[in-house]
Formats: sequence, C-alpha cells, structure tokens
Amino acid sequence: DGGITQSPKYLFRKEGQNVTLSCEQNLNHDAMYWYRQDPGQGLRLIYYSQIVNDFQKGDIAEGYSVSREKKESFPLTVTSAQKNPTAFYLCASTPRQGAPWTEGYTFGSGTRLTVV
Amino acid sequence: AQSVSQHNHHVILSEAASLELGCNYSYGGTVNLFWYVQYPGQHLQLLLKYFSGDPLVKGIKGFEAEFIKSKFSFNLRKPSVQWSDTAEYFCAVIHFGNEKLTFGTGTRLTIIP
Repeated sequence: DGGITQSPKYLFRKEGQNVTLSCEQNLNHDAMYWYRQDPGQGLRLIYYSQIVNDFQKGDIAEGYSVSREKKESFPLTVTSAQKNPTAFYLCASTPRQGAPWTEGYTFGSGTRLTVV
Repeated sequence: AQSVSQHNHHVILSEAASLELGCNYSYGGTVNLFWYVQYPGQHLQLLLKYFSGDPLVKGIKGFEAEFIKSKFSFNLRKPSVQWSDTAEYFCAVIHFGNEKLTFGTGTRLTIIP
C-alpha cells in the first residue's frame, strides 16, 4: 500500500542532542511538508519542499533543519537550538504543485519526540 | 497572513446529540477549505473539502460543512454523533496561489456513550 512512513513512532532524547526524524513516502509525490503539533496550538509548518534539493522555511523553522536528497525522503533534524522540542511531529505530502489547492495533504502517522 | 480560528477547544456530547464545530478564517480572497480528523492513535485524514460550487459540502461518516463566504466561516456539522466520532478535528484553509495549508488549533470532541 502507498503511504507515508514516519519512524520511529516514539523518540526520547536528552536535552542538547540533535535528533533526526524520518519521513519516507512511496506515493511518488513531489511535495513534502513537516508540521509540529502541540496541544492547543494546532499544526504549525516547520519546513516544506516542492522538489528535490530545494526546500523553504515555514512559520517555525528556527532550531530545525531538513534535506531533500531523494524524492521519497524528507528527514527533519531537531537541533539543540530548538528551545522546546518536545512535540508531535507530522510529515505530509502532495502529488504536485497546485495539489494542495484541490486535494490537501496526505499525512503520516507522526513521531512523538520527548526531550528529557 | 492567513489564520484559522477554532473557538471550541473541547466539546463533550452524548451519543445522538447534534454537533456543530466552528471554523473562521481571516483571509478575504479566494480560498479552499478543509476539515481533517485525527482519531486516537491514528494519522490525520481528510473528512471533507470545499473548493467551489455548492457551499454545503458532504463528507465521510455523515459529516457536512457549510461555507459562508460573508462570514468567513466553514462550520462542521453532524446531525447525530456516535461514540466513534471521538477525535480531534482540524479546520484548514489555503488561499489561491499558495502551496501550504494553514490549520486551526483543533477541537477535541469527546462523545459519551
């Protein structure tokens, strides 16, 4: 079945350590997105990428980094510069430019990151 | 910048009650609107969407939403809720020419059997 795989489902890290969250899709989608979900704050956009080797900052990019070396993969690194990294992280994708307008997103099942 | 408001943070209803969840957006131009649902332990999935035509949109599982342009609203409704509707519901908007959805803060719905 086609879909978006986020791994791991739960991740624990010590404060000050960088951590990378995986997002892989086999939908042949061009665009991929990272959102952060916090209680009472909804989903906030961290980064997005519409093509390989290109990405743009979202509303809350500080303390995060991404890469898009392959169409299927869009890993997110939460760096030690992120002040409050504990959250639920969601990856999403869309088929092509213009697809968000008509189709919205397909989401992965998320990774819950806890920094202690 | 566009924004989406969902004023109901947590709604608790008994089974068979009617549901209406509010969603208001700030952008005054041409928009498309979505409702997503996140059942406990599951990924977000599309409930329904509006992008033109009849302002009353029907979605999965008996949900519907009405787009009222003059009120910048896209409220979600269901005549009779079930225990299985317990979930978090997110409204989202995208304006013409944009490639990103903007989400509301979500409404947690709890249905009491």
